Amino acid sequence: QKEVEQDPGPLSVPEGAIVSLNCTYSNSAFQYFMWYRQYSRKGPELLMYTYSSGNKEDGRFTAQVDKSSKYISLFIRDSQPSDSATYLCAMSRDAGGTSYGKLTFGQGTILTVHP
Amino acid sequence: NAGVTQTPKFQVLKTGQSMTLQCAQDMNHEYMSWYRQDPGMGLRLIHYSVGAGITDQGEVPNGYNVSRSTTEDFPLRLLSAAPSQTSVYFCASSSPTRVYFGPGTRLTVT
Repeated sequence: QKEVEQDPGPLSVPEGAIVSLNCTYSNSAFQYFMWYRQYSRKGPELLMYTYSSGNKEDGRFTAQVDKSSKYISLFIRDSQPSDSATYLCAMSRDAGGTSYGKLTFGQGTILTVHP
Repeated sequence: NAGVTQTPKFQVLKTGQSMTLQCAQDMNHEYMSWYRQDPGMGLRLIHYSVGAGITDQGEVPNGYNVSRSTTEDFPLRLLSAAPSQTSVYFCASSSPTRVYFGPGTRLTVT
């Protein structure tokens, strides 16, 4: 069983929809949680970074962490065609791990937002 | 400030050939790492480095070598390429709270 599970989709939504992306994990040692966005044939870029359980908001994006359920989510409000990309969740056991680039990734969810 | 750069962008190798994937960063980060991305697998850590002269293995190190002689460069070597190494390779450079990825190298081994 993979340490981090993510539904690969693909997910297709109309412009303006609220998108919910999710990951579950099995290792309770994970303490730092990230969401990356990856456009086609590009490298991943960091969208959100959270440490504790709860919500973190940045513009149209909200990251949610529930450590008791080992479940993290990314919500995208008012989705735009420019949000079409692969979204990857990632986690690390400690701040040092994050620093070293020692991340464990989910499989990625392919999202398409159509006009 | 170019960030993380990788060369080449594309490469085709025959089984048994060797090659080096180049990676450089201009952000003066101590920490660098290499990942491979395969369909349905996400990104998996191959090797990482916490500074010049210091490297360690990640989740999938077999078949790959690394060295870190300078802060800026972190090359990945395939000594004898195998079809199972067909993948997209990403180099990354890290600050304390953020990992920056390069644009990737698409490698095909026939």
